[in-house]
Amino acid sequence: RKEVEQDPGPFNVPEGATVAFNCTYSNSASQSFFWYRQDCRKEPKLLMSVYSSGNEDGRFTAQLNRASQYISLLIRDSKLSDSATYLCVVNWNGQNFVFGPGTRLSVLP
Amino acid sequence: GAVVSQHPSWVICKSGTSVKIECRSLDFQATTMFWYRQFPKQSLMLMATSNEGSKATYEQGVEKDKFLINHASLTLSTLTVTSAHPEDSSFYICSATRTVNEQFFGPGTRLTVL
Repeated sequence: RKEVEQDPGPFNVPEGATVAFNCTYSNSASQSFFWYRQDCRKEPKLLMSVYSSGNEDGRFTAQLNRASQYISLLIRDSKLSDSATYLCVVNWNGQNFVFGPGTRLSVLP
Repeated sequence: GAVVSQHPSWVICKSGTSVKIECRSLDFQATTMFWYRQFPKQSLMLMATSNEGSKATYEQGVEKDKFLINHASLTLSTLTVTSAHPEDSSFYICSATRTVNEQFFGPGTRLTVL
């Protein structure tokens, strides 16, 4: 089993749609969790950290369920500029960051 | 956010030559730097973890004699791809951590080996 797994995608959605991505991780000792976005041929950029209580940043909402070892990202009112690959990242030992395979999103006009 | 630079951003080389990639944290001291490789349409794969002043820790399957890592200071780590071959062509990305949960990525280096 892979350490971090994500929805395979790709997701093709119209502008204005709501889309949700799921991620599961295998190491129950994982300490911190993040969502990154990566545009084509660019480096990953931090979108948001994921906290146990859930957190929201504008149109983006992240949830963490430690019991199920599950993380989600919800994007509301999708914009064309949201098109990217979304990477679920887990930090399990305070040092190493493990990346999921990513889920590609295309927001269509 | 903190700034991490990589140089060069793009390099083309002949098979059998060696290529050195530099990763610098410009406005902070990085205790740890990471080197990743990303093939087209795949996610980042950690190659090695580099701590200043000590030997790098390589992930399973990564040849340490082929991918030489030097972390000479708290702001500079280098990755040398020795005797590069076409299958080494990839996007190499470094990152640097400022604190335990803060990881900042360089812009990446695209290596093409002919």
